[in-house]
Amino acid sequence: NAGVTQTPKFQVLKTGQSMTLQCAQDMNHNSMYWYRQDPGMGLRLIYYSASEGTTDKGEVPNGYNVSRLNKREFSLRLESAAPSQTSVYFCASSLAGAPDTQYFGPGTRLTVL
Amino acid sequence: AQKITQTQPGMFVQEKEAVTLDCTYDTSDQSYGLFWYKQPSSGEMIFLIYQGSYDEQNATEGRYSLNFQKARKSANLVISASQLGDSAMYFCAMREFSNFGNEKLTFGTGTRLTIIP
Repeated sequence: NAGVTQTPKFQVLKTGQSMTLQCAQDMNHNSMYWYRQDPGMGLRLIYYSASEGTTDKGEVPNGYNVSRLNKREFSLRLESAAPSQTSVYFCASSLAGAPDTQYFGPGTRLTVL
Repeated sequence: AQKITQTQPGMFVQEKEAVTLDCTYDTSDQSYGLFWYKQPSSGEMIFLIYQGSYDEQNATEGRYSLNFQKARKSANLVISASQLGDSAMYFCAMREFSNFGNEKLTFGTGTRLTIIP
């Protein structure tokens, strides 16, 4: 039981390049989330998916797209990376309705030059 | 207005002492939840404790307890008998419901706790 996994763990991009961050969970959770954490700050929600086939914008969605490929997988895509997107990205999943629901992946540290 | 406010950017506490980390929140919802997460230097987010808005008793999990004062909209984390391994960033977060039960967490900016031997 791996919980929430994220790939890659580290990535360096040049401005304008694109990439996809992958996230998978094996806990049969319905909801999945993408957050970013900037230095000295808490996490901010980028996008979330309440269930397979649905996605919604969070607090900071500009510059990102997401795909809920199936119940297990939720990917985050940067079409044209910008230095302002340098951050640590966390994926999380939850079983809606339970109190201690959001389980986090280990994070992806992204640097955009 | 910020939904979650953590006013202590950093704290230094002597080992074995108790420590209180402050958190205030703002919501007009009647049903909500409050969480505390620990983030050690390794970067992962570790769930510590949860308090539901309708829970009458303060939540406790081992050395962690949540001092929930609903009228004051505060949800302070108390760590008893602090240990060196407690040194980390601590985040308060609030869960609100939207879209037929889907939940979103809003995080505070965190408090960096350092335990002194």
